[in-house]
Amino acid sequence: KAGVTQTPRYLIKTRGQQVTLSCSPISGHRSVSWYQQTPGQGLQFLFEYFSETQRNKGNFPGRFSGRQFSNSRSEMNVSTLELGDSALYLCASSPGDRGYLNEQFFGPGTRLTVL
Amino acid sequence: DQQVKQNSPSLSVQEGRISILNCDYTNSMFDYFLWYKKYPAEGPTFLISISSIKDKNEDGRFTVFLNKSAKHLSLHIVPSQPGDSAVYFCAASGPSGNTGKLIFGQGTTLQVKP
Repeated sequence: KAGVTQTPRYLIKTRGQQVTLSCSPISGHRSVSWYQQTPGQGLQFLFEYFSETQRNKGNFPGRFSGRQFSNSRSEMNVSTLELGDSALYLCASSPGDRGYLNEQFFGPGTRLTVL
Repeated sequence: DQQVKQNSPSLSVQEGRISILNCDYTNSMFDYFLWYKKYPAEGPTFLISISSIKDKNEDGRFTVFLNKSAKHLSLHIVPSQPGDSAVYFCAASGPSGNTGKLIFGQGTTLQVKP
């Protein structure tokens, strides 16, 4: 099976712009979760999508949003970029069925730099 | 409010010896715990997990121990190899079935010396 893929791998944007990141989960996985990794804050949960619905949400401002398509692919959008949004953005997929303990499998990440 | 803590930022061990990485949590609703290994500029790689109904899980050189009363878990790597050098994250989820949201510790950098 192919792993989780993320595009693009690297992005450079300027403050005030917006950005869209894409994630394709492992075939058959219906849950996609997004995380932000920064040196100061570590790995922080952004949100999770399951069957095109947001199922969990972390403590990030409304500038961070996402969506999931019927083929389980997911996109994450950040509007009005700030310098502090510079980070490695990771997505992870899992089967997602409630009641089952599923590990998440991570993609390689998208490195976003905001200038 | 850090619900998952890895108090040792780094650990150095000799090749062939045991590596023990520790993790503490505060939220009693967590019922599933995982360890991930991460190299720079890559996504975390799943290593091993444990459910709160168990106190030990083994997979090859990796063993995870869970002490629910102390809200503590540890990862043992025996024997340690130079290729194990990486950042190790523990993560937790819960309550039951809600595994889409993982709370991570800050990570421990393990260096295994040849």
